Amino acid sequence: DTGVSQDPRHKITKRGQNVTFRCDPISEHNRLYWYRQTLGQGPEFLTYFQNEAQLEKSRLLSDRFSAERPKGSFSTLEIQRTEQGDSAMYLCASSSWDRGGNQPQHFGDGTRLSIL
Amino acid sequence: DQQVKQNSPSLSVQEGRISILNCDYTNSMFDYFLWYKKYPAEGPTFLISISSIKDKNEDGRFTVFLNKSAKHLSLHIVPSQPGDSAVYFCAASVTWRAGGGADGLTFGKGTHLIIQP
Repeated sequence: DTGVSQDPRHKITKRGQNVTFRCDPISEHNRLYWYRQTLGQGPEFLTYFQNEAQLEKSRLLSDRFSAERPKGSFSTLEIQRTEQGDSAMYLCASSSWDRGGNQPQHFGDGTRLSIL
Repeated sequence: DQQVKQNSPSLSVQEGRISILNCDYTNSMFDYFLWYKKYPAEGPTFLISISSIKDKNEDGRFTVFLNKSAKHLSLHIVPSQPGDSAVYFCAASVTWRAGGGADGLTFGKGTHLIIQP
């Protein structure tokens, strides 16, 4: 049983650089979510997709953040012109959804971003 | 303003006893609640969930209780084991059954559970 996979696990970059993270969800899941977690806080919701459609993106932190899921399978989260405050753990989660009811989200181990 | 609150940053319990973790919420639209467990350097692991149409859900050693009038839920772990030592997050969401849209999960700040041998 393959879980949610995130790559890379760690990313160190200089302020002002662009970074991109990848998430591979559980294969049968049609929903994919991105969260950010900072020290001492719970994960904070950013955006989500159902198949290839991005159904919620108003919670992305600024216009420097963007996400894609072009074929409804893996997803990428890009941060342009990184700032010190972007240092955090970026988590991806996936779930299945149908009209039958709620299903829990399952998380990957995250990408830890450090901005120098 | 925090919509999901876990007011105990840490909790210490003796092995074999019951662990009770508490969570309060303010958004009356929340209708699905979950508990996650997190070890250092790993992502949150789903433990148990409950829909707002129920007041109790049980899965092995884990039971979640929901009190909608008090906007309060709790996670009971019986008996507590050393491997239960971790940070526990309470999370909630609003689900739209008709339109299919839904918001992401809103998390509390977590409670660090320490099981003493």
